[in-house]
Amino acid sequence: GENVEQHPSTLSVQEGDSAVIKCTYSDSASNYFPWYKQELGKRPQLIIDIRSNVGEKKDQRIAVTLNKTAKHFSLHITETQPEDSAVYFCAASPGYSSASKIIFGSGTRLSIRP
Amino acid sequence: NAGVTQTPKFRVLKTGQSMTLLCAQDMNHEYMYWYRQDPGMGLRLIHYSVGEGTTAKGEVPDGYNVSRLKKQNFLLGLESAAPSQTSVYFCASSYEGQPEETQYFGPGTRLLVL
Repeated sequence: GENVEQHPSTLSVQEGDSAVIKCTYSDSASNYFPWYKQELGKRPQLIIDIRSNVGEKKDQRIAVTLNKTAKHFSLHITETQPEDSAVYFCAASPGYSSASKIIFGSGTRLSIRP
Repeated sequence: NAGVTQTPKFRVLKTGQSMTLLCAQDMNHEYMYWYRQDPGMGLRLIHYSVGEGTTAKGEVPDGYNVSRLKKQNFLLGLESAAPSQTSVYFCASSYEGQPEETQYFGPGTRLLVL
């Protein structure tokens, strides 16, 4: 089955700097890769996702890149702000009609230093 | 439109007691899921349902049972609670056929088993 590894487990960056979180997956059939943000005591919420037919996707300060050959994908946050402090989860799924098989990484706790 | 709701928000059980967690969604989603979240382990799928009247095992199903008698509700039962089931439980739902496979999460139920 699918296995998703996420690094680092904790990350502290200066406000205004960039943050990068990396994930690797094992199942070559996976073709959908969402990222979730979970603030302290809150529910996980989708912030960006990418499908395997796309190498990069950007939404304002957030971008995700995918290297399907190497089976890894990354989340990039630029110009970090205090409200970016949260736990971020990557996930992988075979995609369409297989939502039940989504596997999450173990999470990265991102702290933004003022 | 309340989205995904969960009851109760918090519960303390003694070892051996039973309880049912209720998840409800008003988005007409076909798929529903139960996850548990433990420190450093991300989200792990317990059981899921791809439609009314159907359920299936996820990654960590032992000690739990589920039922999906109505499309909008997904119940998670603990017949004989154990301290190892102390966790935060999240319910989620998604719309069958949606290309993005977005899962919408409930607010979570914090369970403590003594």
